[in-house]
Amino acid sequence: GAVVSQHPSWVICKSGTSVKIECRSLDFQATTMFWYRQFPKQSLMLMATSNEGSKATYEQGVEKDKFLINHASLTLSTLTVTSAHPEDSSFYICSARGLGEVERSPLHFGNGTRLTVT
Amino acid sequence: GQNIDQPTEMTATEGAIVQINCTYQTSGFNGLFWYQQHAGEAPTFLSYNVLDGLEEKGRFSSFLSRSKGYSYLLLKELQMKDSASYLCAVRLYSGAGSYQLTFGKGTKLSVIP
Repeated sequence: GAVVSQHPSWVICKSGTSVKIECRSLDFQATTMFWYRQFPKQSLMLMATSNEGSKATYEQGVEKDKFLINHASLTLSTLTVTSAHPEDSSFYICSARGLGEVERSPLHFGNGTRLTVT
Repeated sequence: GQNIDQPTEMTATEGAIVQINCTYQTSGFNGLFWYQQHAGEAPTFLSYNVLDGLEEKGRFSSFLSRSKGYSYLLLKELQMKDSASYLCAVRLYSGAGSYQLTFGKGTKLSVIP
């Protein structure tokens, strides 16, 4: 149980274009979803936290107009990288916490999306 | 600020035991997680500690000392498939009923024959 599906697993796009990444909870309702970014040999850095039906909370230094997050339902959150640039190339991972899960519960992670901007 | 330190790389022999340390200086500590991450994949949960002491789970054990800001992950009977990065993550209470998971940079473990 507790499967998080992330799509696409990899994407290559041209500089200036936008890319949308989807994160779905397949067998549970995700009240909170988290978006992380990981550069090579670096730790996962939290970009933003989103709760279903409300605006995402962005971490300091993350541009909310560039990284648009939508959490329209209890099973779907999307991250759109707008006007992507080569420096946005990274590994993006979503994670989710289910409805009713206690705080000690580990996050459920998607398999990540490798974004390469050329 | 928040700081989580763990060694960058470690090498160990198949069948041996290895201990990966993690030290943290944080405010609002509310638990420590260990995750395993293979290259290009999502992290998978290994263990969770919120009270001092040892948690054992098969070949994996994790220890926590809150007063020392210290944890370790112990892997026994190492197998080649254990070659991966091991992430120490601290959950912090950020106020207003919300929690945040902050990750260390990870320790890349290489298991050799």
